[in-house]
Amino acid sequence: DARVTQTPRDKVTEMGQEVTMRCQPILGHNTVFWYRQTMMQGLELLAYFRNRAPLDDSGMPKDRFSAEMPDATLATLKIQPSEPRDSAVYFCASGLVAGGYNEQFFGPGTRLTVL
Amino acid sequence: AQSVTQLGSHVSVSEGALVLLRCNYSSSVPPYLFWYVQYPNQGLQLLLKYTSAATLVKGINGFEAEFKKSETSFHLTKPSAHMSDAAEYFCAVRVAGGTSYGKLTFGQGTILTVHP
Repeated sequence: DARVTQTPRDKVTEMGQEVTMRCQPILGHNTVFWYRQTMMQGLELLAYFRNRAPLDDSGMPKDRFSAEMPDATLATLKIQPSEPRDSAVYFCASGLVAGGYNEQFFGPGTRLTVL
Repeated sequence: AQSVTQLGSHVSVSEGALVLLRCNYSSSVPPYLFWYVQYPNQGLQLLLKYTSAATLVKGINGFEAEFKKSETSFHLTKPSAHMSDAAEYFCAVRVAGGTSYGKLTFGQGTILTVHP
């Protein structure tokens, strides 16, 4: 049963520390998305990649967030330095964008708490 | 541009009652529409999708949705609610065009509560 995996599942850190979240997309999927979910803002798209190339990262605070795909099996989202307002659940999703279905498969999320 | 509006951030029903979660969409191209469910402390899971085939779409866990172009709606229903249906439900529409191809725009979500 193919699924998106994310690590860590929970992360508690102090303000100013670097945080790295990892995602392994489903094998064969060509598109990877990073979302942030909070009570106030709901589900926000931060960035997404097609065939490992970044297509859109306009949803990310550029000064502290960065997203990369070093290879087809790994996507990373990094926050440096972290701030309390970054506390949220971060989801990775992957999909095979072909023929218009655009279905996305979500990972379980990383719950980030910045103290 | 494409967007969805979910009417009602909270819906409460009794076990065994009809579930109706409302979603209206706006799309400049033929829409592809999705319903996702999120259980506590989990990621979103696809319930069903409409991709221009049959207008009545059946999904998992007894849910279905009907695409009505004249009403620009894609409401989610289930004839009889179960306690295990308590979750948050998201409607989404594909974003069309250029490098946005593959993106989904999500609604704000509707929290479904099921009472015994």
